[in-house]
Amino acid sequence: AQSVTQLGSHVSVSEGALVLLRCNYSSSVPPYLFWYVQYPNQGLQLLLKYTSAATLVKGINGFEAEFKKSETSFHLTKPSAHMSDAAEYFCAVSDSPGGGADGLTFGKGTHLIIQP
Amino acid sequence: DAGITQSPRHKVTETGTPVTLRCHQTENHRYMYWYRQDPGHGLRLIHYSYGVKDTDKGEVSDGYSVSRSKTEDFLLTLESATSSQTSVYFCAISVRRKSSYEQYFGPGTRLTVT
Repeated sequence: AQSVTQLGSHVSVSEGALVLLRCNYSSSVPPYLFWYVQYPNQGLQLLLKYTSAATLVKGINGFEAEFKKSETSFHLTKPSAHMSDAAEYFCAVSDSPGGGADGLTFGKGTHLIIQP
Repeated sequence: DAGITQSPRHKVTETGTPVTLRCHQTENHRYMYWYRQDPGHGLRLIHYSYGVKDTDKGEVSDGYSVSRSKTEDFLLTLESATSSQTSVYFCAISVRRKSSYEQYFGPGTRLTVT
C-alpha cells in the first residue's frame, strides 16, 4: 500500500522568503507523485507532477519539486513567497500514471501562511 | 478548466435521508473519481469508475454507492445519510497529458448532515 506524509500541518514564512513544504512517500513500486494547491472554498489545482522523466520538476506559479528516491521525498519549493501563495497544499502518490484506475493517495495537507 | 461540474454545490440534509450528488464532465474521459475532504485527513477516495457501469470501491466506501450509466455522469449516493458523512465531496477525472495522466477536480459539494 502506498502512503504520503506531509511534515507540518501549518508552515509560516515571510513574504519574499523561501517556501519549503515537505512530502515523504511510501510505495512498493516506482511512484507517480503530485502536488496540488487549494485556495479557500475552491477545488484542487495541479501544481506539478513527477512521472520519472526528470527528478527536478517545474510547475506553475514558480514552484518546483525534486524527487529523491534515496530519501523517498518529493519536497515542494519556491524561492520567494508571495502573499498570493497562501493556500492549502497537498502531496499525492499513485502507482499508476495520473491515478489511472486506482485514484490518488493524498497527504493530510499543509496550510501555507505568508507573513507580510 | 477540465469541464467538470458538480451539483448541488451546497446541501443540508437530515440524518437518515438519502442524498445523491452529481458529477458531470464534458469531455468523455474514461476515469472518474469521488473523494471526500475532511480537516486533518486530506482527501480520501470513496469510489471510482473506469467506464460506463464499471465502478470499484476506494478507501472509504462504506455507506456510499455510485452509478455511471453515461460516460459524462458519475453519481454518488448516500443511502441513509449520517453525521459522519458531513464533508466536502470532490469529483475528479483523469486526463491523458503527453506520456502520463493528470487528475482534475471539480469545485466540490459541501454536504452537512444534521
